[in-house]
Amino acid sequence: GESVGLHLPTLSVQEGDNSIINCAYSNSASDYFIWYKQESGKGPQFIIDIRSNMDKRQGQRVTVLLNKTVKHLSLQIAATQPGDSAVYFCAEKSGGSYIPTFGRGTSLIVHP
Amino acid sequence: DAGVIQSPRHEVTEMGQEVTLRCKPISGHDYLFWYRQTMMRGLELLIYFNNNVPIDDSGMPEDRFSAKMPNASFSTLKIQPSEPRDSAVYFCASSPRDTEAFFGQGTRLTVV
Repeated sequence: GESVGLHLPTLSVQEGDNSIINCAYSNSASDYFIWYKQESGKGPQFIIDIRSNMDKRQGQRVTVLLNKTVKHLSLQIAATQPGDSAVYFCAEKSGGSYIPTFGRGTSLIVHP
Repeated sequence: DAGVIQSPRHEVTEMGQEVTLRCKPISGHDYLFWYRQTMMRGLELLIYFNNNVPIDDSGMPEDRFSAKMPNASFSTLKIQPSEPRDSAVYFCASSPRDTEAFFGQGTRLTVV
């Protein structure tokens, strides 16, 4: 079946650097995408979302980019901080479904 | 709103025993999801409800698993009898119709 997957299981960066976490999706009908952050011992928390009629959306220190041509999603974190260390998941929904489908996650490790 | 509330946070039980996990979704959310998270499989959708009605339980691994939602403010996931391979973190999430899902803190289940 169609699925959402992540390219890099682990990403290590230095504090202050910018981080980029990538996600590939295969369902061409997906029209809503979400990034979640999961800290140890906690449930996934919403970071930012983007709908398919947009290419880019910015939040506080985070930017999500959507490339529908190649079915690729990325999360950019500016000036990464130790508190950003977590597992990041992308999830997608299609118009015909209200079920968020999750990728396997990328572990971001920020070194002080 | 206190968010999605799950109980208990931790559960240790012996193989063969019945386990009941509980969830209180965010008021007003139409959808409720039960997920299981393991290192091997990531986040797996077990079942979801729309307006208290089970819509898709194809993710429920076996007949030992059952879920109910007797009203809009309460859902249970039951495992009877439990087995060691059921050990995982179980998340409940709720969402409005067309936005992100909000997750609870999860129940860490250990079956010995």
